[in-house]
Amino acid sequence: NAGVTQTPKFRVLKTGQSMTLLCAQDMNHEYMYWYRQDPGMGLRLIHYSVGEGTTAKGEVPDGYNVSRLKKQNFLLGLESAAPSQTSVYFCASSYGPPEVSKNIQYFGAGTRLSVL
Amino acid sequence: KQEVTQIPAALSVPEGENLVLNCSFTDSAIYNLQWFRQDPGKGLTSLLLIQSSQREQTSGRLNASLDKSSGRSTLYIAASQPGDSATYLCAVSPTFGNEKLTFGTGTRLTIIP
Repeated sequence: NAGVTQTPKFRVLKTGQSMTLLCAQDMNHEYMYWYRQDPGMGLRLIHYSVGEGTTAKGEVPDGYNVSRLKKQNFLLGLESAAPSQTSVYFCASSYGPPEVSKNIQYFGAGTRLSVL
Repeated sequence: KQEVTQIPAALSVPEGENLVLNCSFTDSAIYNLQWFRQDPGKGLTSLLLIQSSQREQTSGRLNASLDKSSGRSTLYIAASQPGDSATYLCAVSPTFGNEKLTFGTGTRLTIIP
């Protein structure tokens, strides 16, 4: 059981380049999330999805787009990368909303992105 | 806006000691609080979840307590081991309808053999 898999693990981009981060989960979870983790700031929610075909903005959505065409996949896109987007990106998934006790979030191992 | 604080940012203790990690939050209107563990270069792993109606939860050597009225939670680790070295984060779930956890910045714990 792979759980939550993120690809790639590392990436270096030049300012203005675009890329897509892929998150795949094999737990049949409805909810999926993209976070970024920066030193001294904790994890911040970028976008999330409550089911196939749905997306919603989180706390820091600017500069990112997402798609959930298939239930098991959640894609995070950077159309024109900026140095401020240098961060570690984490994907997570859960059965349902976080306020329900059984719906703990399972995290991927992260993608370390540097934008030069 | 909910803010979650974890102090200290880093903590080193000798192996075998009991220790307490702290988490405080500004808005007591929460549904639950979770403690996560993060190993270097890895994602987060959920350790314990406490519902707002509960006072504590236990799992093995870990015990988490919650005082919602004062906006505080503690994670107690008994008989610490080098394998406990990691960053520990707490996160709160707000009231229903907001699919968002608010995370603290974490405490980096080092257990000295």
